[in-house]
Amino acid sequence: SQKIEQNSEALNIQEGKTATLTCNYTNYSPAYLQWYRQDPGRGPVFLLLIRENEKEKRKERLKVTFDTTLKQSLFHITASQPADSATYLCARRRALTFGSGTRLQVQP
Amino acid sequence: NAGVTQTPKFQVLKTGQSMTLQCAQDMNHNSMYWYRQDPGMGLRLIYYSASEGTTDKGEVPNGYNVSRLNKREFSLRLESAAPSQTSVYFCASSETGTGVTYEQYFGPGTRLTVT
Repeated sequence: SQKIEQNSEALNIQEGKTATLTCNYTNYSPAYLQWYRQDPGRGPVFLLLIRENEKEKRKERLKVTFDTTLKQSLFHITASQPADSATYLCARRRALTFGSGTRLQVQP
Repeated sequence: NAGVTQTPKFQVLKTGQSMTLQCAQDMNHNSMYWYRQDPGMGLRLIYYSASEGTTDKGEVPNGYNVSRLNKREFSLRLESAAPSQTSVYFCASSETGTGVTYEQYFGPGTRLTVT
């Protein structure tokens, strides 16, 4: 079956460092992947989309890469801040399948 | 614009009771979705509606029914609630069509407990 996996359940980093989150997919080749942020008690909010023919996409302190050889997308937050603490979800095309999410905690 | 609204915010049901979760969007989106979110399981698609008048099953449809009442509204019904349906339910909507990204807009969620 087509799967999308976020292997790290939680990630703790110090303020100012770069956070890197991983999303892996198996048994299919997505045309694009989406990344969402979810705060406790709230619905997910769309952050970025990267297409399979794009190696990298940036938005302010966020950067997403897409490696079709490794079947992997990496999500980076540079100069992280405590306000970046949240759960980050990746989703395949049309967002019908989500990964289980990585909970990021940025320590001041 | 209110975006996606869901009612109720919280609900407690006894096993065997029925209820309908309501969802409405004011963004003129064609597609609407219902997900459930359980700890450690992420978001799982229950049903979706690609356009008014159509509905399709997602990953976990058993025990649920949906109605796409019109373009704005998409309801989820539990006919006979079971403890396994204790979860947080999210409704979402998105544009569809050539060239769009299917970015989803989510509602605030309904926290349902079945005892």
